[in-house]
This record gives sequence, C-alpha cells and structure tokens, in this order.
Amino acid sequence: GQSLEQPSEVTAVEGAIVQINCTYQTSGFYGLSWYQQHDGGAPTFLSYNALDGLEETGRFSSFLSRSDSYGYLLLQELQMKDSASYFCVVTTDSWGKLQFGAGTQVVVTP
Amino acid sequence: EAQVTQNPRYLITVTGKKLTVTCSQNMNHEYMSWYRQDPGLGLRQIYYSMNVEVTDKGDVPEGYKVSRKEKRNFPLILESPSPNQTSLYFCASSLSLGSGEQYFGPGTRLTVT
Repeated sequence: GQSLEQPSEVTAVEGAIVQINCTYQTSGFYGLSWYQQHDGGAPTFLSYNALDGLEETGRFSSFLSRSDSYGYLLLQELQMKDSASYFCVVTTDSWGKLQFGAGTQVVVTP
Repeated sequence: EAQVTQNPRYLITVTGKKLTVTCSQNMNHEYMSWYRQDPGLGLRQIYYSMNVEVTDKGDVPEGYKVSRKEKRNFPLILESPSPNQTSLYFCASSLSLGSGEQYFGPGTRLTVT
C-alpha cells in the first residue's frame, strides 16, 4: 500500500525552530509538496521539491532525499500565526494523482 | 482576482437526493482536482483532471462522478448521497503539476442525513 508518515502534533515556543518530517512509501514519485491549513480554512501551498536538496522560501525551508524517501519542512523564527496543520503531499504520477499525509498540528505558545 | 470558487459552501441534504457541487477557476489552469477531508485522515483525492475531457480516479472515487467539459469548471456530482459522504470537500487547480502548487477553493461542508 501507499503511506505518508508525519508526526501528529508538534508544540514549540515563539521564535523557535520546528522540523516536520515526512517519510513516504508510494507507487511512484514525482515530487513532494507542503501545505499549510489553518482551522476552518483552505490549504495553502508552501513549497515543492522534485529533486534532492534544500529549498528556502523566507522563514520556511523544505528538504528532500529521494533515496531515503524522506523530506522535511523547517519552520524558523516561529510566530503565533504559524499555529496550523501542515501536510506533506506526494505527486505519484505524471497525470496528477496525489497522496496526502494526515497532517501535523503545530502549536506555537508564547 | 485569481481564485477557485465552490458552491454551495454549506449543504445539508438527505440520503439519496442527487446533488452537485460546482467548482470554477479563473486562472486558465489545466489541472483540477477534488478532495475530501475527514478528521484524522487528512485530505484524500476523489477525482482529478489533467485537461478538458480527461479525468481519472483518485483514491476514493466510489459514489462520486465528475465532468470536465470546459477548462474552468469541474463539478462534483453525488448521484445518491449517503451519510458516509458527510465531509468537507475541497476543489483545487494548478497551472502545472511540475510546480507542485495547487490553489484550493474555500471548501464545501456537506452533511448527509
């Protein structure tokens, strides 16, 4: 079967750094995306890795190792507004079939 | 304003009464997709479409139909809704899957009694 594993919850204080890991086992792999979703809201795109390495976008960075079937999202200088759920998503074929992780709830405390 | 719209946003219906949730995007995106979100399960893909008249099944297509007659619209049809289809539904679109970026609609909360 196919699976994406990520922690269910992470708690950290403002200003800290949080790393959300995602390990995947899928029938195919074209890329790994990360999305943020606040309670009651729609998911919003954060980053995408198709090749190994680190992608940096402001306070957020994402890393991929295809050989290890592993990626992570790094949130730096945490702010209260970063309290949300974060999903990793694998694109499993070239036609657009996607698999989502169950999501990681990030709780930022003062 | 570039956006994905869904209608209705909220719907309560009864078992067996056919319904359609509309999805429209104004960004000329080729790719569109439907998801359902249930507590503890994350989002699961129902159907997706790479282009007009091209659709394919995601992980949970049973009980749903879609059509893609125009690039901008991708309606989700429940021919005979059942209580296990009570969920939060999202439509999304993307210019290119190569970017990994999808734009999501605001969601439709469906309750089937």
